[in-house]
Amino acid sequence: EVQLVESGGGLVQPGGSLRLSCAASGFTFSNSWMTWVRQLPGKGLEWVANIKQDGTEKNYVDSVKGRFTISRDNAKNSLYLQMNSLRVEDTAVYYCARGSGWIYPWGQGTLVTVSS
Amino acid sequence: EIVLTQSPGTLSLSPGERATLSCRASQSVTSNYLAWYQQKPGQPPRLLIYGASSRATGIPDRFSGSGSGTDFTLTISRLEPEDFAVYYCQQYGSSPRTFGQGTKVEI
Repeated sequence: EVQLVESGGGLVQPGGSLRLSCAASGFTFSNSWMTWVRQLPGKGLEWVANIKQDGTEKNYVDSVKGRFTISRDNAKNSLYLQMNSLRVEDTAVYYCARGSGWIYPWGQGTLVTVSS
Repeated sequence: EIVLTQSPGTLSLSPGERATLSCRASQSVTSNYLAWYQQKPGQPPRLLIYGASSRATGIPDRFSGSGSGTDFTLTISRLEPEDFAVYYCQQYGSSPRTFGQGTKVEI
């Protein structure tokens, strides 16, 4: 069974940092593009970033460029999102998902709250 | 970036009725690279349709997708109680990938 489990969310002050992790199982992680998507509280979905199988290509939405870094460790079947200079408007549930185009499946998400 | 506009915002229907959801893109979606997702409260989105009209694995055939260019439609032929949810379209023909704002299908 394909499974994605996010961790690392929590409460952080504006300007702070947080690192999200996503543990993957049930598929060949090293063969898959991976994506982070976020959902603001009670709102819609926003694509955040994706990363190629070997980590050589990364793409970001403009609102996080220069602040967030997506990375992966294929030996550990893990995906990461390093989030720096966090803003109140980054408060959201962050989902890890498999794929670059259509994305499937999705993890259950981890909540990031940016507040003073 | 491609902006996707979904309509209506809310669709009020009864079980057994037909639901027609629209997704309009601000510019043509490359190769009709458009997907549809269903999301229920407290759950992550679930992929329904990709490539505008291909059903994902395990999706019932009452769900169908159509359209091309800038206009796409998700149709649920006969609503089942478990179909009441929020539906999102997403384009993946260009970067950044973008989502529509969602259509809520309610009883």
